[in-house]
Amino acid sequence: DSGVTQTPKHLITATGQRVTLRCSPRSGDLSVYWYQQSLDQGLQFLIQYYNGEERAKGNILERFSAQQFPDLHSELNLSSLELGDSALYFCASSVGADKAYEQYFGPGTRLTVT
Amino acid sequence: GEDVEQSLFLSVREGDSSVINCTYTDSSSTYLYWYKQEPGAGLQLLTYIFSNMDMKQDQRLTVLLNKKDKHLSLRIADTQTGDSAIYFCAEDNFNKFYFGSGTKLNVKP
Repeated sequence: DSGVTQTPKHLITATGQRVTLRCSPRSGDLSVYWYQQSLDQGLQFLIQYYNGEERAKGNILERFSAQQFPDLHSELNLSSLELGDSALYFCASSVGADKAYEQYFGPGTRLTVT
Repeated sequence: GEDVEQSLFLSVREGDSSVINCTYTDSSSTYLYWYKQEPGAGLQLLTYIFSNMDMKQDQRLTVLLNKKDKHLSLRIADTQTGDSAIYFCAEDNFNKFYFGSGTKLNVKP
């Protein structure tokens, strides 16, 4: 158990809909990272937050957004969903802003868009 | 930093050494990582190397970095069946991460 929790574990929704994925970092970790793993695109880094502020941005679509709350949990919002958004979404956390080498991953949320 | 390449498969016998190779493109990458993903499971950060190092050893794992050729390798000594997994390399360019497509390691008993 990494100490990083993600909810829900599975999500099935229809095209055009909007969903919110939630991540709670390990106790004491201030950074949260979001990743997408799909059959088409492989593993992709989406975005990083550190202590409530956006720190780094990867291949995140405009239809997707994220935020980190004062209690340090993070949410990834996916809107106008397409079939190609079906993927496993991981979050990870680390203590510092530039300490990705100490990342711990959550179990992931599997999103299926039908 | 977007073209990180790995071979797709590697098969070894239990007890042998495994070497998984990776090439990357961005010479300004600060760290390079190896992740492990077991079947049906999440990701685990296995090890990493800072870009100014040539080698890093961590128990059965040895990471070699050739910056000139932009080549990274992961050697697993005394490979066990529990090492069967997909291994991803990734480069970190100031907190922007680019992943390879993963190498599936099959360990035969």
